Amino acid sequence: EIVLTQSPGTLSLSPGERATLSCRASQSVSNNYLAWYQQKPGQAPRVLIYGASSRAPGIPDRFSGSGSGTDFTLTISRLEPEDFALYYCQRYGSSPWTFGQGTKVEIK
Amino acid sequence: EVQLVESGGGLVQPGGSLRLSCAASGFTFSNFWMSWVRQAPGKGLEWVANINKDGSEKYYVDSVKGRFTISRDNTKNSLYLQMFSLRGDDTAVYYCARWNVAYDYWGQGSLVTVSP
Repeated sequence: EIVLTQSPGTLSLSPGERATLSCRASQSVSNNYLAWYQQKPGQAPRVLIYGASSRAPGIPDRFSGSGSGTDFTLTISRLEPEDFALYYCQRYGSSPWTFGQGTKVEIK
Repeated sequence: EVQLVESGGGLVQPGGSLRLSCAASGFTFSNFWMSWVRQAPGKGLEWVANINKDGSEKYYVDSVKGRFTISRDNTKNSLYLQMFSLRGDDTAVYYCARWNVAYDYWGQGSLVTVSP
C-alpha cells in the first residue's frame, strides 16, 4: 500500500502570501495519478487538481500542482481569504486509493 | 445539476448493521464509477470502496473487507453501502462521490455513529 505523507501539518500564513504544500508518497505514483482536494468546515471536499498538475474546472489559476514520482506539491500563489482550509492529496488508479492526512492552511 | 444525496445513517450498536443509500441525479449514473469515502470526527478522509460502472468490479479498503458491501442499481440511479459487524472505529461521516478523473462531485455526507 502506498502511504501519502503531507507536510507541514499546519501552515500559518497571511492573505496574499504564497502557500506551498507537500505530498510525499512511500512508492512512486504511477502515471502521476495524484489529486488535491480542499475541504472547509462542515463541507464536502472539492477537487482542485488531478493528474498531479491539471486544474479542475472552475478552479482559479492561483492553484497549481506539480511533481512526479514520489514528490508532489500544491502551490497557492496568493492566498485569498477563502483559501484558508484543509487540503488533502489522494493517490488513485489502483486499489487502495489512499489520502494523505491533510495540511491545514490557517490565517497567521 | 449534479446531485448526490446520502441517507440511511444513524446510531447503531457495535456489531450491528446499517445500509447507506446515495441517490444520484443530474447525470447519467451508469456512465461513472462511484465511491464511498468516510471521515471520522475531527480526522482526515479515508477511501472506503469503489464500484465500476456496471457493478462487476468492487474494491475495498482492508479495514472493511468482509464487513462492507458496495453495490449500485443503475435503474434507480442509486449507490449503496451495506455495513455489517460495525465497530466503534467505523464512526464517521460517509460521503458518496462520483469518480471522473477525480472525485468531482460529493454528497453532503451521512453520519454513522457506532456506540453502545
